[in-house]
Amino acid sequence: DIQMTQSPSTLSASVGDRVTITCRASESISSWLAWYQQKPGKAPKLLIYKASSLESGVPSRFSGSGSGTEFTLTISSLQPDDFATYYCQQYNGWVTFGQGTRLEIK
Amino acid sequence: EVELVESGGDLVQPGGSLRLSCAASGFTFSNYEMNWVRQTPGMRLEWVSYISSTGLTIYYADSVKGRFTISRDNAKNSLYLQMNSLRAEDTAVYYCATQLGPAPEYFQHWGQGTLVTVSS
Repeated sequence: DIQMTQSPSTLSASVGDRVTITCRASESISSWLAWYQQKPGKAPKLLIYKASSLESGVPSRFSGSGSGTEFTLTISSLQPDDFATYYCQQYNGWVTFGQGTRLEIK
Repeated sequence: EVELVESGGDLVQPGGSLRLSCAASGFTFSNYEMNWVRQTPGMRLEWVSYISSTGLTIYYADSVKGRFTISRDNAKNSLYLQMNSLRAEDTAVYYCATQLGPAPEYFQHWGQGTLVTVSS
């Protein structure tokens, strides 16, 4: 199976900050990568698919980039609603997820 | 509006069985591929099983192959997961999730989840 590794595991930031989360694949997955946001007690919510395509209804401050084995999720200006856990998921082969990045308030 | 509502989660002893259901509404269920995805107590997400829109193509994660069975009833807009020979490591919140197009894919809509606890 393709292993997905996210960094950092925890990120402390303030409202208005620009933050970047990285996801690395153990082998090339082309652009077959999605990003999800999850809040406590809720299901994951799709943010980005195909590495950089923004899901309908997701604010434009979220963006994704990368291809091959290295990908990033960027939030251009953190809002209070963005403090959550973020997961990457590859779908080049059998689906696997990263271990998550918890974004907390500094 | 797309709605997925899981049910059937419970506390069950190791070796026991459980059947999960997912009721879908707000979209044409028969047009969508469906999945079960679980989240462990350590918050790891793990894909469990996939079924095509017609039910003719089915995949399982190696960790559940031979023990779990996915099925769907398009007339009832429902997805199921029969879980047998349950183990402690199957303890998780189980989500049903939609995808557009054949596997593998990303998951567009998720239910709220149902908790399965395997313990004596």
